Amino acid sequence: DIQMTQSPSSLSASVGDRVTITCRASQTISTYLNWYQQKPGKAPKLLIFNASGFQGGVPPRFSGGGSGTDFTLTISSLQPEDFATYYCQQSYTSPPTFGGGTKVEIK
Amino acid sequence: QVQLQESGPGLVKPSETLPLTCTVSGGSVSSGSYYWSWIRQPPGKGLEWIGYIYYTGSTNYNPSLKSRVTISVDTSKNQFSLRLNSVTAADTAVYYCARDPIQRYGDSFDSWGQGTLVTVSS
Repeated sequence: DIQMTQSPSSLSASVGDRVTITCRASQTISTYLNWYQQKPGKAPKLLIFNASGFQGGVPPRFSGGGSGTDFTLTISSLQPEDFATYYCQQSYTSPPTFGGGTKVEIK
Repeated sequence: QVQLQESGPGLVKPSETLPLTCTVSGGSVSSGSYYWSWIRQPPGKGLEWIGYIYYTGSTNYNPSLKSRVTISVDTSKNQFSLRLNSVTAADTAVYYCARDPIQRYGDSFDSWGQGTLVTVSS
């Protein structure tokens, strides 16, 4: 299985901050990388597909990038509703696997 | 807009079988455009894909669970189901059903049920 490693595992930030989360794959996955947002007690929500493709309804402050083994999710200006846990997931090969998550907390 | 809803027992005894059903509304499991997946999340931990089914009955399972998992589909009821055999405490998790569009970027999960907590305990 392809292992996905996210960093940091948690971070504290303020409203308006620019936040970047990193995801690294254990082997090259081209751009087969998706990002999800999960709020407490809720199901994950797909934000970004194919590394940089926007899922419908996702605010433009979210952006994704990267290819090969290294990927980023950036929130350009953190909003109160963005405090959540974020997961990356590779879709290059089966089984699809997820990173361990990055919890974004209020500073 | 498609909605998915999990149902099943919240408590299962060790060594028994965990049965869950996902009911789809606002869309059809018979659509040839989607796989229908099960994903789980142990309390406080990350996400693990269990497997998916296509409306024809074709399946794909996570090798780590393959020996214990069966996913089936009932197109007449617009449902798909999960059975996980020989459960242990390690199978305690929130179980989600999710829709997986068939597209060239591989598996992604664009609609999810709310999730159901299943606890394995005697």
